[in-house]
Amino acid sequence: DTAVSQTPKYLVTQMGNDKSIKCEQNLGHDTMYWYKQDSKKFLKIMFSYNNKELIINETVPNRFSPKSPDKAHLNLHINSLELGDSAVYFCASSHSTGRYEQYFGPGTRLTVT
Amino acid sequence: SQQGEEDPQALSIQEGENATMNCSYKTSINNLQWYRQNSGRGLVHLILIRSNEREKHSGRLRVTLDTSKKSSSLLITASRAADTASYFCATAPLSNFGNEKLTFGTGTRLTIIP
Repeated sequence: DTAVSQTPKYLVTQMGNDKSIKCEQNLGHDTMYWYKQDSKKFLKIMFSYNNKELIINETVPNRFSPKSPDKAHLNLHINSLELGDSAVYFCASSHSTGRYEQYFGPGTRLTVT
Repeated sequence: SQQGEEDPQALSIQEGENATMNCSYKTSINNLQWYRQNSGRGLVHLILIRSNEREKHSGRLRVTLDTSKKSSSLLITASRAADTASYFCATAPLSNFGNEKLTFGTGTRLTIIP
């Protein structure tokens, strides 16, 4: 009965590879997010989708491409991985807009070597 | 600079003592939220306080908001070892365009010493 789940939890890959992270929520929320948390614990929003529509697209390299096949799923595909992409990526969801409390997944720790 | 900045960056106290951490922000807000993050885990929502509220309680948590000073504080009373975590404030903007986002602070690392 996990509310927001992400797979995989750990991802170790080499520079130049392409990888995907998947996220699912069973809370019935209509807004989902991707955040990046760096080594200093700073949390920065990357993307937000509301009812499968992209509504927030921060200054993120276009190597990052989110996809929302339905309201309950939001995936993140990363092309041509770079060392600087190493971080923990969190998926989150909320009711309606980003003003409301958000529910976070457990995170995916991405390490690029 | 950060919209939300927590103070102190790190805090260590004895179990049973109270812990207070502060958050300052720069722009007008709709609400301010506090989250907890245990090591290696995702963030967990603790409490939301709206801009027209001054104080809110939830169990051992007490949050205050001073919009004139653009600051908030989180008080954890009778701390327990399980309270060891990082605590983040997050602000929600006033706008109503449907594209609002939370802006997170830099976090306070709280360590409870048994």
